Amino acid sequence: EAQVTQNPRYLITVTGKKLTVTCSQNMNHEYMSWYRQDPGLGLRQIYYSMNVEVTDKGDVPEGYKVSRKEKRNFPLILESPSPNQTSLYFCASRIQGGMNTEAFFGQGTRLTVV
Amino acid sequence: AQSVAQPEDQVNVAEGNPLTVKCTYSVSGNPYLFWYVQYPNRGLQFLLKYITGDNLVKGSYGFEAEFNKSQTSFHLKKPSALVSDSALYFCAVRDPWGGGSQGNLIFGKGTKLSVKP
Repeated sequence: EAQVTQNPRYLITVTGKKLTVTCSQNMNHEYMSWYRQDPGLGLRQIYYSMNVEVTDKGDVPEGYKVSRKEKRNFPLILESPSPNQTSLYFCASRIQGGMNTEAFFGQGTRLTVV
Repeated sequence: AQSVAQPEDQVNVAEGNPLTVKCTYSVSGNPYLFWYVQYPNRGLQFLLKYITGDNLVKGSYGFEAEFNKSQTSFHLKKPSALVSDSALYFCAVRDPWGGGSQGNLIFGKGTKLSVKP
């Protein structure tokens, strides 16, 4: 089954404690991205990657890092989480050249930073 | 700059009645438009898209959307709403000619659809 898998689904952590949210897709997609969803703001892109070792900032990259060492994986790293990073996070993937193709989304990771 | 507006935070509809969820967009060229639905505690699911061709696009679960270039709108519609349609709906745009964005999706803020029995 084609899917994007995120882990963990729920995470509560303390300010400053480094964490990683994993994302994996099994569709051989080149393009992957991370979004955060906040009430009244919709989804905002954090980072995206067009292929292995190619990443770039989205609209709200501050406080986040990503890496793309393998095509299927695109982890999101919070080196020093802060309460304003409490949010619902989604990973997505699609074919890189497919401007007219839809993106596939993971189930989401609800992060709470206290 | 590219943008998407969903003017209604919430839409309330009685089961069996038609529903419309509104979306307007702003892009520099011809847009690629998408609708996604998010059920509680779930990820976003693709409903339908407009790329080119017929202005009326049909998608999953009986939904359709009408592209109107002159009004820069892409409203989501369904002739007869179901209680199970209650969810959060997102409109998104991709500008294939937008520089520097690599064709990233720009999302609206979302509209909560509530269908009452």
